[in-house]
Amino acid sequence: NAGVMQNPRHLVRRRGQEARLRCSPMKGHSHVYWYRQLPEEGLKFMVYLQKENIIDESGMPKERFSAEFPKEGPSILRIQQVVRGDSAAYFCASSPPDSDEQFFGPGTRLTVL
Amino acid sequence: AQSVSQHNHHVILSEAASLELGCNYSYGGTVNLFWYVQYPGQHLQLLLKYFSGDPLVKGIKGFEAEFIKSKFSFNLRKPSVQWSDTAEYFCAVRDTGGFKTIFGAGTRLFVKA
Repeated sequence: NAGVMQNPRHLVRRRGQEARLRCSPMKGHSHVYWYRQLPEEGLKFMVYLQKENIIDESGMPKERFSAEFPKEGPSILRIQQVVRGDSAAYFCASSPPDSDEQFFGPGTRLTVL
Repeated sequence: AQSVSQHNHHVILSEAASLELGCNYSYGGTVNLFWYVQYPGQHLQLLLKYFSGDPLVKGIKGFEAEFIKSKFSFNLRKPSVQWSDTAEYFCAVRDTGGFKTIFGAGTRLFVKA
């Protein structure tokens, strides 16, 4: 059983471009969580999704950020018109429907030039 | 609002020294508590967790943590560290029955061989 997969592991974008981060949860996991880690800080919750539903997006910035978890395929965290302050490590975690233990992926390190 | 405070950002120890990493949280309700570890270049892994029952929790690799409800603390301990314990350690808290996990800023442990 493969763990949580995230790709790309490293992503470089120029200011104003779009960044798409993908997360494939573990097999059998229908819950996905996205976190952001800024330098020298802990992980900050962004959004919690179940298949085709956003359950809680209270940690998402109001503009430019969106997330989805379609019926088929990975969960996508999309950042439009990136700015330097978006540079961070973005972690995805998944959990099965009957458990609240979260399993983390390796993260995507986004650098905005 | 929930918050997690980790007392030390950086800790340097020699092999065989004892380790205690402090963690305090702020929340008025019942919580689940976690310690995660992130080895260099790897993703977050769960070290141990407390949901209920015995407040002294044993985790992997010889780690343990004690939940002291009156002090809102969940300190991580290991009697004798090894060079391979060099990593970043994160304390985290979640509302019982909830899903939003709040992380501390992390403690970077460096163990000298």
